[in-house]
Amino acid sequence: AQKITQTQPGMFVQEKEAVTLDCTYDTSDPSYGLFWYKQPSSGEMIFLIYQGSYDQQNATEGRYSLNFQKARKSANLVISASQLGDSAMYFCAMSFPNSGGSNYKLTFGKGTLLTVNP
Amino acid sequence: EAQVTQNPRYLITVTGKKLTVTCSQNMNHEYMSWYRQDPGLGLRQIYYSMNVEVTDKGDVPEGYKVSRKEKRNFPLILESPSPNQTSLYFCASIKRTSGSSYEQYFGPGTRLTVT
Repeated sequence: AQKITQTQPGMFVQEKEAVTLDCTYDTSDPSYGLFWYKQPSSGEMIFLIYQGSYDQQNATEGRYSLNFQKARKSANLVISASQLGDSAMYFCAMSFPNSGGSNYKLTFGKGTLLTVNP
Repeated sequence: EAQVTQNPRYLITVTGKKLTVTCSQNMNHEYMSWYRQDPGLGLRQIYYSMNVEVTDKGDVPEGYKVSRKEKRNFPLILESPSPNQTSLYFCASIKRTSGSSYEQYFGPGTRLTVT
């Protein structure tokens, strides 16, 4: 069965420093996708970044990058130059094939609460 | 403006009274999905749809129905709501960009309380 694990319930980082949020996954499917989302205290869900299992290069999106280590089954999110507005809950998720083969079932980790200190 | 809209944003109802939460996207995305978020449990997928008239169960489909009669709309139906369906609900759509890349857009959420 597919499983996503975020082992850090909470993380603290100083403003302007980089921070890594951990995410490990378990699946036997060769085709899957990895997502990261941000949920500020206001409650909305914001998509940050996506990495496909066959992608050779790590995904990047502005200050966000996904450190994809396939052999270790990890997909850590790296936020560079943290800002106060980065304080939020961060969720990792994995998409995997359904019985028909389309890669659209998603399972989520429990999240990591990031606090950026001034 | 590209967006996913949900209505209502807040709803308090009683056990057994049928309700529908609407979801609409204006981006012509084929894929849409419903999630619920509960404290300590994170987000869990309820149902998803790959295209018009094509839907499939997520992790927690019991007590819910969906339909996808047109691409832009994906309503979530609770035929007989129960208190354990009290939750924060999110609708989302996914755009497949180049190659295998995806972008996902979420609605603002619907906070449902069933008494």
